[in-house]
Amino acid sequence: DQQVKQNSPSLSVQEGRISILNCDYTNSMFDYFLWYKKYPAEGPTFLISISSIKDKNEDGRFTVFLNKSAKHLSLHIVPSQPGDSAVYFCAAFFSGYALNFGKGTSLLVTP
Amino acid sequence: KAGVTQTPRYLIKTRGQQVTLSCSPISGHRSVSWYQQTPGQGLQFLFEYFSETQRNKGNFPGRFSGRQFSNSRSEMNVSTLELGDSALYLCASSADVEETQYFGPGTRLLVL
Repeated sequence: DQQVKQNSPSLSVQEGRISILNCDYTNSMFDYFLWYKKYPAEGPTFLISISSIKDKNEDGRFTVFLNKSAKHLSLHIVPSQPGDSAVYFCAAFFSGYALNFGKGTSLLVTP
Repeated sequence: KAGVTQTPRYLIKTRGQQVTLSCSPISGHRSVSWYQQTPGQGLQFLFEYFSETQRNKGNFPGRFSGRQFSNSRSEMNVSTLELGDSALYLCASSADVEETQYFGPGTRLLVL
């Protein structure tokens, strides 16, 4: 049962524009959310996280928004760069529960 | 600080064989989690170990097992390999499961 869903398998954005990656979850007990970025032949690398007590967290070009009532979070990348081209995984967990990942969204940033 | 290391990086086995994968966590990390990544399925949680004890287990058959040693290094074993076990196996470590997990490069297993 997929509790974290990334409904867009791929996204293509032009360099300099905004990339918006979306994630939905079904388990209302999740209280911590993370985004990971993965290049081919490498393990995922942690990008940014947000606790359920916040609705926004920023780190440089990356901002994560959380809408608890809609059980939705999104990752905004502004401005997008070609080096951002990777697969992005959304993940969620709550205390004592394993980290639950979505299936990933492949982002392609074109020059 | 050295990152998470996994050995071997690539492995080819045949159906029915068994395989053992190894993971060395970041120094000081006591939680080690294992994931299977297959095309179209994302990262699926296998199990998590903390201080040599399995604390969480995903929905995988008993052919998948693991263990953790006193130095926090972990091994994952898959017995009676099936073609569908071909995947990238990722190990992640954290200070505790509620802390951010850091991933190794993975072991690419191909079952023929």
